[in-house]
Amino acid sequence: NAGVMQNPRHLVRRRGQEARLRCSPMKGHSHVYWYRQLPEEGLKFMVYLQKENIIDESGMPKERFSAEFPKEGPSILRIQQVVRGDSAAYFCASSAKAGASTDTQYFGPGTRLTVL
Amino acid sequence: EDQVTQSPEALRLQEGESSSLNCSYTVSGLRGLFWYRQDPGKGPEFLFTLYSAGEEKEKERLKATLTKKESFLHITAPKPEDSATYLCAATSGTYKYIFGTGTRLKVLA
Repeated sequence: NAGVMQNPRHLVRRRGQEARLRCSPMKGHSHVYWYRQLPEEGLKFMVYLQKENIIDESGMPKERFSAEFPKEGPSILRIQQVVRGDSAAYFCASSAKAGASTDTQYFGPGTRLTVL
Repeated sequence: EDQVTQSPEALRLQEGESSSLNCSYTVSGLRGLFWYRQDPGKGPEFLFTLYSAGEEKEKERLKATLTKKESFLHITAPKPEDSATYLCAATSGTYKYIFGTGTRLKVLA
């Protein structure tokens, strides 16, 4: 049973370019969460999605960042016009239940974004 | 504001030297307390979920406990392969996990 998959594992972009991060949840999971981890900081919640719906994007910057989880295919976190401050590790997690507060989230290996 | 604080930030142990990691939380109406292990360059790996004060869970050399204010991760007779960063997270009735900054554990052979 494959775990949460993320790609690419490493992504290098120049300032002003776009970054697209992909996440495929665990088999049987339909709830996806994105977190960002800055050096020396804890993981910070960004957005919670179900298929074709954004449930909560309160942790995501209002500008330049967007997320989707289409009916078919992986969830995508998109960062437009990247800046150096966007350099971080981005983790995707998935869970089986309907966003229940005590449902365990399982994490992928992360995408490490470096903005030059 | 909900907050999770882990201590110590870093811990060095000799192989076989047992110790405990602390996770203090201020979360309104705790619904779940989670422990993860994270190796360098990898994603957090799930270890335990605790739901209520007094609960304990064990897995190999690890044992997690929960009180109304904090959680402990006890490591008994650790081995070098237990070296990792251990993360604690709490949730107060939503899907938003509040993470601490972790404890970096190094076990020396």
